[in-house]
Amino acid sequence: EVQLVQSGGDLVKPGGSLRLSCAASGIAFTNAWMGWVRQAPGKGPEWVGRIKSKTDGGAIDYAAPVKGRFTISRDDSKNTLSLQMNSLRVEDTAIYYCTAVGYADYVSSSWGQGTLVTVSS
Amino acid sequence: EIVLTQSPGTLSLSPGERATLPCRASQSLTSSSLAWYQQKPGQAPRLLIYGASSRATGIPDRFSGSGSGTDFTLTISRLEPEDFAVYYCQQYGTSPGTFGQGTKLEIK
Repeated sequence: EVQLVQSGGDLVKPGGSLRLSCAASGIAFTNAWMGWVRQAPGKGPEWVGRIKSKTDGGAIDYAAPVKGRFTISRDDSKNTLSLQMNSLRVEDTAIYYCTAVGYADYVSSSWGQGTLVTVSS
Repeated sequence: EIVLTQSPGTLSLSPGERATLPCRASQSLTSSSLAWYQQKPGQAPRLLIYGASSRATGIPDRFSGSGSGTDFTLTISRLEPEDFAVYYCQQYGTSPGTFGQGTKLEIK
């Protein structure tokens, strides 16, 4: 069974930074494409970005609202996915989910428990 | 950007009834690249359907998906108490993929 355990959510001020982590187990992490999806209160989910496996080139794609501010990275030696968020805005407030991509690109077949990021002064 | 419209926002039905949830795309989707997710309060979404009609691993066969082009449907043949939740459609044919706003399925 795939398990994605997240950590790192917090309350931060606008313009601040935060790093989220996701520890994966039950999955061949080295070969997995991974992603981050967020969900603002009362809204539908929204893709943040996705990172391919190194064997598939390791390409990273970001959604337009976060491009240039957020950075996705992976440590295959520790089965860990990270999301570094800089220049945070009020509109980045959401629950952030770590996901494993399966069946097709941008289809999230497994999800972490989610972590709340609140951006407020 | 492809916009997905899910209407109605809320659907009220009784256990044992058949549920039909529509999802309309603002432009035709390539290769039936549409997925459905179920989300219960306080939980992460769960993948139900991909490729418009293929069930994900472990999903009961009372859940089925259909459609092509711009019009898609999730059908739950006979509602169980645990099926009352919010359902989202997602297109993934055009990067990075967009979600609808969801249909809440509530007990009548």
